[in-house]
Amino acid sequence: QSALTQPASVSGSPGQSITISCTGTSTDVGGYNFVSWYQQHPGKAPKLMIYEVSNRPSGVSNRFSGSKSGNTASLTISGLQAEDEADYYCISYTGSSTPNVFGTGTKVTVL
Amino acid sequence: EVQLVESGGGLVQPGGSLRLSCAASGFTFSRYWIHWVRQAPGKGLVWVSHIDGDGSRTDYADSVKGRFTISRDNAKNTLYLQMNSLRAEDTAVYYCARAGYRGPSFDYWGQGTLVSVSS
Repeated sequence: QSALTQPASVSGSPGQSITISCTGTSTDVGGYNFVSWYQQHPGKAPKLMIYEVSNRPSGVSNRFSGSKSGNTASLTISGLQAEDEADYYCISYTGSSTPNVFGTGTKVTVL
Repeated sequence: EVQLVESGGGLVQPGGSLRLSCAASGFTFSRYWIHWVRQAPGKGLVWVSHIDGDGSRTDYADSVKGRFTISRDNAKNTLYLQMNSLRAEDTAVYYCARAGYRGPSFDYWGQGTLVSVSS
């Protein structure tokens, strides 16, 4: 099972919106609504930002939103803030012998 | 307060074994799937394994299948990862994480424990 494909880096200015894509196949992202997104700051454990494609856990800012179209899931960060600078990872259920697979990760830079 | 605390990491020679533990508190441990996720130095997250609430269902990434065994002791609120035939490429920080929702949705994570495989 190959890792899901994410852009290596995305950048934006404070206040702007950015979108991170997560591309898989019909056997993972496209086949199930079990895509989650994680934010990871250096030296810290990841933090759940979005689950089941578009749901936000309690306490996560509504500036973060998730969606999916076909085999590609997306995380949008609106009103970009300095604290959003971090690595972001998607993960999808696959239903295969390796039932979960992470994306390659995206470094978000706030200019 | 939900807490997950990993332990058992360290330096081991190639071909050696190590057992990681993850002590849980602040929630009904037996009700949740728990996962292991690893991260090699400077690299991305990789899903390793998971186990259901009563320990009857386990799955593994192809890269560790046949070498790693996940288990849990619900009486002790503790998750384990037995790692055998360790390779240099297993060097990573290993996190345990609770799946709070359906699918790979990890709402609580431990702080991680570093496993280094080197001669």
